Amino acid sequence: DAEITQSPRHKITETGRQVTLACHQTWNHNNMFWYRQDLGHGLRLIHYSYGVQDTNKGEVSDGYSVSRSNTEDLPLTLESAASSQTSVYFCASSEDLTAGNTIYFGEGSWLTVV
Amino acid sequence: DAKTTQPPSMDCAEGRAANLPCNHSTISGNEYVYWYRQIHSQGPQYIIHGLKNNETNEMASLIITEDRKSSTLILPHATLRDTAVYYCIAHYNFNKFYFGSGTKLNVKP
Repeated sequence: DAEITQSPRHKITETGRQVTLACHQTWNHNNMFWYRQDLGHGLRLIHYSYGVQDTNKGEVSDGYSVSRSNTEDLPLTLESAASSQTSVYFCASSEDLTAGNTIYFGEGSWLTVV
Repeated sequence: DAKTTQPPSMDCAEGRAANLPCNHSTISGNEYVYWYRQIHSQGPQYIIHGLKNNETNEMASLIITEDRKSSTLILPHATLRDTAVYYCIAHYNFNKFYFGSGTKLNVKP
């Protein structure tokens, strides 16, 4: 079955280090997204991509970057990890952006910055 | 996306129908109503979506009022495994797919 996978599922890193979270989907979806979820809050959009070589900033993009070199992968990089970036990160994908289509989420990556 | 309002928590007895309300009074004509749920420590799971008509699938039913200002998600026979946070989203495109705080559904034996 097609799926979306994230790695690592859990990571502890130190302040100032660069961290990359991987996201891989096998649906061949053009559209991919990264969200973060903080305790007691809903999901907030970090970055998104409509296709290869396309990236866009979301609501909370400061301190994060993404790159899209192929359809299947959208890695999220924290350039210099900060304690405020301790969170759960969810990758998602969608076949089509038009209204009425469905977005599918990965299982999440728990990141702790100490 | 239109703002949605949901109660922070609800209780439901196991085996009974769970009816989760959502207000989206500013929804526009091209915005769909989506429902997702998130079971502890898991990624959000798609449940159902609709535009105007009521919808039903193997998981749930979605009832949208005629004026589209509110909707209700119905889980017909709630089980303990349905305990989760349920999110109602009024949405047009995914670059503004905003998850609010949701409703914590507690299914009790």
